[in-house]
Amino acid sequence: GAGVSQTPSNKVTEKGKYVELRCDPISGHTALYWYRQSLGQGPEFLIYFQGTGAADDSGLPNDRFFAVRPEGSVSTLKIQRTERGDSAVYLCASSPLSLAHNEQFFGPGTRLTVL
Amino acid sequence: QKEVEQNSGPLSVPEGAIASLNCTYSDRGSQSFFWYRQYSGKSPELIMSIYSNGDKEDGRFTAQLNKASQYVSLLIRDSQPSDSATYLCAPSTDKLIFGTGTRLQVFP
Repeated sequence: GAGVSQTPSNKVTEKGKYVELRCDPISGHTALYWYRQSLGQGPEFLIYFQGTGAADDSGLPNDRFFAVRPEGSVSTLKIQRTERGDSAVYLCASSPLSLAHNEQFFGPGTRLTVL
Repeated sequence: QKEVEQNSGPLSVPEGAIASLNCTYSDRGSQSFFWYRQYSGKSPELIMSIYSNGDKEDGRFTAQLNKASQYVSLLIRDSQPSDSATYLCAPSTDKLIFGTGTRLQVFP
C-alpha cells in the first residue's frame, strides 16, 4: 500500500511569506505527527493529532506555526510570516492507533528554504 | 541533561565487523523504543522496535533494552557498506523524542 506522502517536496519562499505544507498519512492511521529536522540534528517534535484533534502541540515553536487535520486524514502545517530560521526539512509521520507501541512511519519530507 | 543522548560519531567499522550503537534516555516513562536509520537526504526508516527489557533480534540487527539503566543499544552484525547511515534512537511515550543520531561508516 501507499506510504505517507508530503507535498511539496521542496518549497522556497521569501522572508515574511505564508506557506502551507501538506501531509497525507497511511490509510487507516489515526495518529499523525509533524517533526522538523535541521542539518545534523534529529527530528524535533512539533505536534501530533489523534483523529481530528491536536493531542499535543507542545513542540510548536511559536504562534506563527499552526496545523490542522479537519477530517482526520490529511493534515496541513501552516507557517505565517516565515523567518530564515524556519528553514529545515519538515517531516510528517503516521501511526495506527496505539499509545503504547506507536511505531511511526515517515514521509519523504518537505524541504523549506526561507530566503 | 538532554532527553536522549547518542554519540554523534562518526563510528567507523570495517565491512564484516559488529557495529555497536548506544543511546541513553532520561524519561523513565518511556514505554517504547525505536531505532531508525536515516540515509543522507532521506527520511527516517524504522528498523527495530523494542518494548521490554532484554534482547530482540531481527536478522543482522539486535536491539538491547535496559530500563533500569535507561539504556538502549543496537548491534549490527556483519556490517555492510550499505549500512552506512545515521542511526536515530527514539524513546517514546506518545511522541518520539530523537537524539542527534550516530553516523555509522562501514568501509570495505
